[in-house]
Amino acid sequence: GQQVMQIPQYQHVQEGEDFTTYCNSSTTLSNIQWYKQRPGGHPVFLIQLVKSGEVKKQKRLTFQFGEAKKNSSLHITATQTTDVGTYFCAGPSSARQLTFGSGTQLTVLP
Amino acid sequence: DVKVTQSSRYLVKRTGEKVFLECVQDMDHENMFWYRQDPGLGLRLIYFSYDVKMKEKGDIPEGYSVSREKKERFSLILESASTNQTSMYLCASSRQRINEKLFFGSGTQLSVL
Repeated sequence: GQQVMQIPQYQHVQEGEDFTTYCNSSTTLSNIQWYKQRPGGHPVFLIQLVKSGEVKKQKRLTFQFGEAKKNSSLHITATQTTDVGTYFCAGPSSARQLTFGSGTQLTVLP
Repeated sequence: DVKVTQSSRYLVKRTGEKVFLECVQDMDHENMFWYRQDPGLGLRLIYFSYDVKMKEKGDIPEGYSVSREKKERFSLILESASTNQTSMYLCASSRQRINEKLFFGSGTQLSVL
């Protein structure tokens, strides 16, 4: 079945440094979604990318969808302590199902 | 805002017990999902439902069943709990449209002793 792989599993950065997490699918995706889970919290939807090569920005967060629609990345510029959490990508494995990556746990050191 | 409510935040059960996890959403969403979350494994889909009394198996349905008697309520049932079912269980809902974003509940941390 479809696999969605995410790297790295853990990332520690100093506050103010940049951070990137990468997502790769074994199959071409019609779209990709990103979620953030704060420590002790539940996943919260961040964004959905649909078009090949699409780039979207949310303040310091930049999301990219690869040209072949098999990979995606999330880049955070100048991390802050509020960015702490686990970031998941998710791609559809059917019309109604999403397959999640294993997540990247971000720690921001003050 | 959509609210997805899970009945318990923490639950401790014994091996062999029958366990019910309840989830209610208040936004008239057609789709409802049960995931389990384990460190390093991400979120894995157990079961989902796209309509009342309809259910479909996800990636890891073994040892679980579900019930959806009303549109707003989706229950996960562990017929005979085992220690390897100790996990965080997350309920989610979404609108009917294809690949709509998911709204998650706060989760139930289940410990099976």
